[in-house]
Amino acid sequence: QKEVEQDPGPLSVPEGAIVSLNCTYSNSAFQYFMWYRQYSRKGPELLMYTYSSGNKEDGRFTAQVDKSSKYISLFIRDSQPSDSATYLCAPGPHNFNKFYFGSGTKLNVKP
Amino acid sequence: KAGVTQTPRYLIKTRGQQVTLSCSPISGHRSVSWYQQTPGQGLQFLFEYFSETQRNKGNFPGRFSGRQFSNSRSEMNVSTLELGDSALYLCASSQPGQDTGELFFGEGSRLTVL
Repeated sequence: QKEVEQDPGPLSVPEGAIVSLNCTYSNSAFQYFMWYRQYSRKGPELLMYTYSSGNKEDGRFTAQVDKSSKYISLFIRDSQPSDSATYLCAPGPHNFNKFYFGSGTKLNVKP
Repeated sequence: KAGVTQTPRYLIKTRGQQVTLSCSPISGHRSVSWYQQTPGQGLQFLFEYFSETQRNKGNFPGRFSGRQFSNSRSEMNVSTLELGDSALYLCASSQPGQDTGELFFGEGSRLTVL
């Protein structure tokens, strides 16, 4: 079983739509749940993270963790073409800075 | 503050050759991690170095190796290249003492093996 499973997409939505990106993980010891965004031909950059269970909101983005079901979600409200990127979930850390990354969901927001 | 710098950005090699990739972390960052990114497998952890010591290693064959220098710069080497080694190799540095271990990635070195 993989440590992290992520819906692969790709996902294509019209501008202004609400987007839901999801991951499941297997290791109950994970405490930090990171979401990275990767634009084409760039390295990933941290979008936001949550610690333990619960929700965290940052502008149009909401990260949600349900540790009981080992389920991680990222919601994007009022999606914009500039949100078009690959989104990677990364729970961890495990043994210092080892994070397990999901395979990424490619999002395309159409104008 | 300069970001993580990786060189070279693109390279083409043939099977059997070896390659060395370089990474300069953000100034003050002492931890450097390497990841391999492929369309099918996503990001897979290769290894992590801190103060010139490898603290963690992923499930890659011994052909993949790395090291870190006293100035925190790091290199990774892949010997006897195989077609399946074609990938984007990402280096990430992180700040000591940061609880989340946020990783700051470079733009990667794209390796094509023919």
